[in-house]
Amino acid sequence: GIQVEQSPPDLILQEGANSTLRCNFSDSVNNLQWFHQNPWGQLINLFYIPSGTKQNGRLSATTVATERYSLLYISSSQTTDSGVYFCAVELGSSNTGKLIFGQGTTLQVKP
Amino acid sequence: NAGVTQTPKFQVLKTGQSMTLQCAQDMNHNSMYWYRQDPGMGLRLIYYSASEGTTDKGEVPNGYNVSRLNKREFSLRLESAAPSQTSVYFCASSEASAGQGEQYFGPGTRLTVT
Repeated sequence: GIQVEQSPPDLILQEGANSTLRCNFSDSVNNLQWFHQNPWGQLINLFYIPSGTKQNGRLSATTVATERYSLLYISSSQTTDSGVYFCAVELGSSNTGKLIFGQGTTLQVKP
Repeated sequence: NAGVTQTPKFQVLKTGQSMTLQCAQDMNHNSMYWYRQDPGMGLRLIYYSASEGTTDKGEVPNGYNVSRLNKREFSLRLESAAPSQTSVYFCASSEASAGQGEQYFGPGTRLTVT
């Protein structure tokens, strides 16, 4: 079955709008990360968040490990937020850093 | 501080040819990883190295070999390239040796096998 599922697959926003991206996973996690892949292909680590809530500027993330989901919030979106957002997890209790990536959410922010 | 660097940026191979993708990091990280990304998909782990001198298979290791040359460098070798290995290859590193912590990615190598 699907181990890491992201929704929605695609999202189009007007600049200034807010959005919530979701990541569901099929087992307990001890490692969960959110990444942004910009239109030039570069992958940037946004959050390392196996549990709890973190904020970084206009971005914040929450992971509820007991309910097996994580949310990425983007507020006051800008055109530079466009790209693909990936959730990646290490399932189970091992500690190897072997991440499983979701299929991603493609975000387009229009001016 | 260059972070994670990869060479080459682009490569075209014929079926059956071999090549080595190079990766180096200057952050004194313990763990290093090789991923591939196919069009419209997330990344899949090929091999990883939790520390200097150790390597282990990821999700899609067939057709690849790796070498953790020292703490800084982790190379990926294709012995006999196949069209199915056409992909973008990313190297990543992480400070923690126990698998925790953020992973930082290089710019990628775009490989085409004809």
